[in-house]
Amino acid sequence: GAGVSQTPSNKVTEKGKYVELRCDPISGHTALYWYRQSLGQGPEFLIYFQGTGAADDSGLPNDRFFAVRPEGSVSTLKIQRTERGDSAVYLCASSSKRPGGTDTQYFGPGTRLTVL
Amino acid sequence: DQQVKQNSPSLSVQEGRISILNCDYTNSMFDYFLWYKKYPAEGPTFLISISSIKDKNEDGRFTVFLNKSAKHLSLHIVPSQPGDSAVYFCAATSTSYGKLTFGQGTILTVHP
Repeated sequence: GAGVSQTPSNKVTEKGKYVELRCDPISGHTALYWYRQSLGQGPEFLIYFQGTGAADDSGLPNDRFFAVRPEGSVSTLKIQRTERGDSAVYLCASSSKRPGGTDTQYFGPGTRLTVL
Repeated sequence: DQQVKQNSPSLSVQEGRISILNCDYTNSMFDYFLWYKKYPAEGPTFLISISSIKDKNEDGRFTVFLNKSAKHLSLHIVPSQPGDSAVYFCAATSTSYGKLTFGQGTILTVHP
């Protein structure tokens, strides 16, 4: 079946602009995660949705970052007033996790964001 | 505070030999551990996982060992193949959380 898809694959923007990154999870997966990976590092957690609600947004670095998942499927990560330090690969993952259970997260190919 | 550490940035092995990748963690709440493989320009691909109630899990050429008292896990690949060359990430989580905490990764190179 189809895996996690992310669009766009690459995004180049100028400092101060607004960007939206989209994630399409595996069909039927209730949990959706966003991570950010900088060069030479492992992915770092940003936010986790269980259904439509954000169950944990403790990884969002500041209030310029926001994510939504209005219908419990597709999610959009929104970054306002982008800064050069926001340049990274943004990864989305999904799983069939139920609250209180462990699970395997399956990742998309990522969106490479470059802020000039 | 790096809760998951992979202390070897790189590892080079000969085709057919064993590759051993190591990972240490500090958070006692972690009870589920995963290994992912990543090729350039792709997302991490799930390889194998282990629950804290086990000390070993095998899947084909891949075996993960967990030593809870030492807070250490390792991934063994036998025999190693050139196609295994990639970055390997160790990750940990808990039934209390959803998020994964990743190590920094180890670049594995398998020479023909």
